[in-house]
Amino acid sequence: DVVMTQSPLSLSVTLGQPASISCRSSQSLVFSDGDTYLNWFQQRPGQSPRRLIYKVSNRDSGVPDRFSGSGSGTDFTLKISRVEAEDVGVYYCMQGTHWPRTFGQGTKVEIK
Amino acid sequence: EVQLVDSGGGLVQPGGSLRLSCAASGFTFSSSRMSWVRQAPGKGLEWVASIKEDGSQKYYVDSVKGRFTISRDNTKNSLFLQMNSLTAEDTALYYCARGWMQPGSWGQGTLVTVSS
Repeated sequence: DVVMTQSPLSLSVTLGQPASISCRSSQSLVFSDGDTYLNWFQQRPGQSPRRLIYKVSNRDSGVPDRFSGSGSGTDFTLKISRVEAEDVGVYYCMQGTHWPRTFGQGTKVEIK
Repeated sequence: EVQLVDSGGGLVQPGGSLRLSCAASGFTFSSSRMSWVRQAPGKGLEWVASIKEDGSQKYYVDSVKGRFTISRDNTKNSLFLQMNSLTAEDTALYYCARGWMQPGSWGQGTLVTVSS
């Protein structure tokens, strides 16, 4: 199975400051079609997961542009340019290239 | 608007069975691959199973193979998860999600508790 390793596992950020979460996969996530199926999800307290980013860097509709995804191969990053109070929650990366699909452990973001 | 409504969860004894349902609306269900993802209390997300648009391909995480069966009824825009031989380790909030490479819409979840 592809192991997804996130770091850090928790992040305490001052409002308005940037935040960055790393996600590394144990195998390349490049699919046979040439795309890389690496997703980022946000789960606010008490809510269902919400997809923020798909295929490494594509932001979903309605997702603020302070969220951005980057990376390639096995190394990926989610960045929040200026953290806001509504960004509190747990963030997960997930690979959709290999079976079984696997998630990172999650990174808990809180406000300092 | 895409909507996924999960149902069917509840309290079941170890070794028992449960069938989860997911009612889909707001998109062409018959053209969509679908998945189940679960989350044990206080834990992270775990992918459970996925099914192709026509039901011809199904995939499972090893821990549920032989016990869980994913299925769908495209005439009723519904997704199912038949869960047999349940153990305490299956206790979780179960979400249905649209897609299997980049699940973009999720249900609200239905809670399954396995306990005597």
